[in-house]
Amino acid sequence: EDQVTQSPEALRLQEGESSSLNCSYTVSGLRGLFWYRQDPGKGPEFLFTLYSAGEEKEKERLKATLTKKESFLHITAPKPEDSATYLCAGGDDKIIFGKGTRLHILP
Amino acid sequence: NAGVTQTPKFQVLKTGQSMTLQCAQDMNHEYMSWYRQDPGMGLRLIHYSVGAGITDQGEVPNGYNVSRSTTEDFPLRLLSAAPSQTSVYFCASRRHGLYEQYFGPGTRLTVT
Repeated sequence: EDQVTQSPEALRLQEGESSSLNCSYTVSGLRGLFWYRQDPGKGPEFLFTLYSAGEEKEKERLKATLTKKESFLHITAPKPEDSATYLCAGGDDKIIFGKGTRLHILP
Repeated sequence: NAGVTQTPKFQVLKTGQSMTLQCAQDMNHEYMSWYRQDPGMGLRLIHYSVGAGITDQGEVPNGYNVSRSTTEDFPLRLLSAAPSQTSVYFCASRRHGLYEQYFGPGTRLTVT
């Protein structure tokens, strides 16, 4: 059964305190691994696509990495505006999502 | 360029009623998908389409029907609403060969 599992479910950090979110996956026919950000009351917003093990993508304070079995979203020196739910997804024609990590950055 | 639009924004139904959630996109995207989002459950794929006339089931298709007669529109039909279908529904679209999905603002559905 296709599955995307994210941990932790929730994470509270002080402003400037770096950390990582984890996404492990077992998705048949996986073509890519994707990260999204979702703010309360809104639809998810695309961040990154990773296609192969060893690949890395960066955007501002976020860096996504991919191994054969999992992906990490590293957050460096976060700011309060980085508070959101971060979603991991995988697939090809059919794209399935994990349950997300709720990130709260305290000022 | 409106992107992905969904109507209505909010809806309350009684058990057994039927309704259609509308989704439209003006980006000429081939792929469109419907997801539901429940607290603690993340986004779950209901149905998806890789082009006009082609649809397929996702993770939780029971109780929902879709059709794709045009590239722009991908309506989701609830045939006989049940309280378990209370959720926030998101429609998304993307271009073939690319995986950046564009999401609509969502429809919050309550079934009493």
